[in-house]
Amino acid sequence: AQSVAQPEDQVKVAEGNPLTVKCTYSVSGNPYLFWYVQYPNRGLQFLLKYITGDNLVKGSYGFEAEFNKSQTSFHLKKPSALVSDSALYFCAVRDDNNAGNMLTFGGGTRLMVKP
Amino acid sequence: KAGVTQTPRYLIKTRGQQVTLSCSPISGHRSVSWYQQTPGQGLQFLFEYFSETQRNKGNFPGRFSGRQFSNSRSEMNVSTLELGDSALYLCASSPGQPYSNQPQHFGDGTRLSIL
Repeated sequence: AQSVAQPEDQVKVAEGNPLTVKCTYSVSGNPYLFWYVQYPNRGLQFLLKYITGDNLVKGSYGFEAEFNKSQTSFHLKKPSALVSDSALYFCAVRDDNNAGNMLTFGGGTRLMVKP
Repeated sequence: KAGVTQTPRYLIKTRGQQVTLSCSPISGHRSVSWYQQTPGQGLQFLFEYFSETQRNKGNFPGRFSGRQFSNSRSEMNVSTLELGDSALYLCASSPGQPYSNQPQHFGDGTRLSIL
């Protein structure tokens, strides 16, 4: 079975400050991990993925995420937040033991960046 | 390259009716997945099709069905609509095997409202 938890429903940061959106996962095999962002009335936009290799993954719009196997975490980070980063963020996982592309998503974290 | 296209964008139906939603994947993508997004349940996996075959199915009643055509376009059907079926239905495509570590790319969804 595969599962994801995003412990914070909402994260508030000031523009220019660093941001972190937390994600923990559970899989029986090896994880394929993804971050997506959703703006109002839109679908999900892919930000970055971890498959294997370096634990620090860089993605779109200055976002990065750190894979930590011992803590089963994959937190999303950005050194300097922009007001335009305000959106709904989803972490997703796929267990490499499972055939196919079925993703399990966390409940989402609403990021609010204040000017 | 055109993205994932879902039609229609908005749909209003009444209880007991049935509905068909359409998804055109990114050119060259052979895997199509469907997800339901609601405020209460979040993002839930419905099913995945690859090369016209259902590869995975989520925990939804048999009223929810889908199919994939030889050009990889996909449709999902919901029969005997219930108020609880009101949701944003998202389609996602990816290249599929052997590129299973590639991210899924999402359309903007069909917002279904049941009156």
